[in-house]
Amino acid sequence: SQTIHQWPATLVQPVGSPLSLECTVEGTSNPNLYWYRQAAGRGLQLLFYSVGIGQISSEVPQNLSASRPQDRQFILSSKKLLLSDSGFYLCAWRGISGANVLTFGAGSRLTVL
Amino acid sequence: KQEVTQIPAALSVPEGENLVLNCSFTDSAIYNLQWFRQDPGKGLTSLLLIQSSQREQTSGRLNASLDKSSGRSTLYIAASQPGDSATYLCAVEAATSYDKVIFGPGTSLSVIP
Repeated sequence: SQTIHQWPATLVQPVGSPLSLECTVEGTSNPNLYWYRQAAGRGLQLLFYSVGIGQISSEVPQNLSASRPQDRQFILSSKKLLLSDSGFYLCAWRGISGANVLTFGAGSRLTVL
Repeated sequence: KQEVTQIPAALSVPEGENLVLNCSFTDSAIYNLQWFRQDPGKGLTSLLLIQSSQREQTSGRLNASLDKSSGRSTLYIAASQPGDSATYLCAVEAATSYDKVIFGPGTSLSVIP
């Protein structure tokens, strides 16, 4: 069966510090991978999605970047965090067919102070 | 640009009532639509996925319908229970931007015992 892992689960970082959130998927190959952010009391904002290694689509101009160094690994990064980067970051995967459901990880809660 | 809205933003009902949650999308050319449930501080759980060729999907007490031409979907919950209390989100994948999944802001449901 397929599983998705996100870490760290919780992170408190000072403004200006770097960020690295990691997401890995097991039990499948060539998944579509997604990063979403959910600010307090708001819906999910699509940040990045990837349909293959090295293929990243960015949805929102921002202080973040994403990379996919391996087929089942998706990393969200920042060189210098801003207060506005605080939020709940969710990674998700889906099979390449649109008939597959989007499956989410447990999320990473980032607080920037 | 695809935009997804959900009405109402919040809903409180007594236990046992049937209820309907609404989702609207601006671009009717969609590939599929999904309904999710999110418990506080948790990731999302997929409830139902409706392909563009389908009119509805059912799972237990849940029934989701899709009317592409009007850009609407409804999630019907029968005989609501306190355990149904959560935020419900809909998401669409536009046929014109395959692989990109856009979420609505969600409806916060509270079922009162």
